[in-house]
Amino acid sequence: DAGVIQSPRHEVTEMGQEVTLRCKPISGHNSLFWYRQTMMRGLELLIYFNNNVPIDDSGMPEDRFSAKMPNASFSTLKIQPSEPRDSAVYFCASSNDPAEEAFFGQGTRLTVV
Amino acid sequence: GDSVTQMEGPVTLSEEAFLTINCTYTATGYPSLFWYVQYPGEGLQLLLKATKADDKGSNKGFEATYRKETTSFHLEKGSVQVSDSAVYFCALSSPNTGNQFYFGTGTSLTVIP
Repeated sequence: DAGVIQSPRHEVTEMGQEVTLRCKPISGHNSLFWYRQTMMRGLELLIYFNNNVPIDDSGMPEDRFSAKMPNASFSTLKIQPSEPRDSAVYFCASSNDPAEEAFFGQGTRLTVV
Repeated sequence: GDSVTQMEGPVTLSEEAFLTINCTYTATGYPSLFWYVQYPGEGLQLLLKATKADDKGSNKGFEATYRKETTSFHLEKGSVQVSDSAVYFCALSSPNTGNQFYFGTGTSLTVIP
């Protein structure tokens, strides 16, 4: 398996634009996580899906953020409108249930100017 | 709720020095415990894990023992190398919380020649 695949690896956008981050989890995994990493706040869990259903979205910062998982092999994290404070590295991770370990993607580095 | 507390960094050591990074946890039930490592510009990778009390996880010369009596999972290495320079994250996952992963804030390690 190629592991968790995220795209794009880098994204630079202007404030106010819509940004969509994509994630393909490892085949057969039924849990998917979106994290945000910044120097100031470290690694923050944004949302957690199990069997394509959002289980915990308490970490989603505000209504500008939304995440979907239409099927077991694809998830998106959307920011609309984007703001400079959204600049961070966004990681997607997947795992089996019960969890043995979480496998992380390479991350998307988002810069909002 | 479940949480992980790990030693603040950054940590700077000379090559061949002994490393300890402290990690304590709070959890209901019996979580699985993990150490992840993040090299510059990369996603998190599993370093080692332990799934029950008194288990010792080990990998690449790193070790950590699951201590239920002290709710700890300290990371140790007897002789660090320059290539060990990275950020280390302690984490837990528990069926009681739907197998969601909780990460510590990360400890940055720099090993100097």
